This record gives sequence, structure tokens and C-alpha cells, in this order.
Amino acid sequence: TQLLEQSPQFLSIQEGENLTVYCNSSSVFSSLQWYRQEPGEGPVLLVTVVTGGEVKKLKRLTFQFGDARKDSSLHITAAQPGDTGLYLCAGDRGRRALTFGSGTRLQVQP
Amino acid sequence: DVKVTQSSRYLVKRTGEKVFLECVQDMDHENMFWYRQDPGLGLRLIYFSYDVKMKEKGDIPEGYSVSREKKERFSLILESASTNQTSMYLCASSFNLPGTTYEQYFGPGTRLTVT
Repeated sequence: TQLLEQSPQFLSIQEGENLTVYCNSSSVFSSLQWYRQEPGEGPVLLVTVVTGGEVKKLKRLTFQFGDARKDSSLHITAAQPGDTGLYLCAGDRGRRALTFGSGTRLQVQP
Repeated sequence: DVKVTQSSRYLVKRTGEKVFLECVQDMDHENMFWYRQDPGLGLRLIYFSYDVKMKEKGDIPEGYSVSREKKERFSLILESASTNQTSMYLCASSFNLPGTTYEQYFGPGTRLTVT
């Protein structure tokens, strides 16, 4: 059973457009992490959100943790081709392990 | 800089062979993990270890075993490879610091094909 649902699964946009990726669960997580994975590489951590309602910014990327700590979103402003990749959310399961979502594959066309 | 290395980037094995996937990390992390990644399914946890000689089953341990004889090394073993174990295998590690969020650092992955 997939505890974290990501949407959309695929997204192809033009350079300069804005986009939002969603990560939803029926479970409460003590923290939630976002990773980006490029082809042929392992995922790399972008950010961790811990507090319900928390908003974190990383240059053009804005991450938000839902008030109830069951969902999160990633918003990218003015997407660039370098943003292309697989975006994964992951929730802390409370035993040092993470539950990963199925991922959103983003393609930014120049 | 944290470095997690995996013994092979690509591996082709035959059905029934015993397969060893090795992972080494150089940051003195206590926790180590093995995932498999398949299209549309995200990363699924196979096994993890939070100390030498300790192991815990993840979500899909069937058909796999692990070994952790040294802190920096975590091995995944496929006792008798089958075609449904064709996948990308990712190793990760993290610190075990209570009160932290256990960010994980990943290796580049091993793409295993079982024919």
C-alpha cells in the first residue's frame, strides 16, 4: 500500500512557467522530505519540513507542509531546464526509515 | 561531502544465480538502507540496518537478505535471482541522531537485469 500519493505523475512544461507538485497522505508524518533525482543518479535531498504549516524557500522552489502534517506541496517559479528530474516526497515513518511517494517526473523544455 | 558508493552501476545476471550488491559510505553513518526503484512505484524499502550486525525488514524483504559486518558497509544478497528482481537498486545512509529528521544520502544506484 502506497502511503504517499504524488500528483501529477508527469509534467512537461516550457521554460519560464510555474508549476506545483503535490504529496498527499492519510497518515501524519513527523517530518517530510523532498528529493530530486536526475537520470542515472540517486536522489538528492532538497529540503526537510517539520512543523505543520511550515514554508521553506530554496531559490525558485517553495515547499509547504500542511497544517495537519499529512500533505505537502512543492511550487517552482519560472522553471528552468535544470529543474528537470524526478521529484520525490518522503515521510518519516518514525523508525529511522522513510516512506517514499511514487514521484513526479518533470520535464522543462527550453 | 557525504559519499555513498555502490559496487556496480550495471549488472546482468542469470536466473538462479546468487547476487551480491555492495554499498559503502564514508561518513560514519549508523543507518543504512536498501531500496528498489521501479517505474510508477517510487522507492520501496527492502531492508535497513541501524547498527553493525543489526537488520530490520522493510516493506518488500522477500527474496532478499542483507549483511552488515562493518559500520561502513551494507550488502544486499539475492540468494537465487529471479526475473522479477530486475530493477534499480539504491543504497542510502543517514545519521542516527534522536530529534533529527534522518535525511538520507543515496548512492548512484545499481541497475540489475536478471535474464
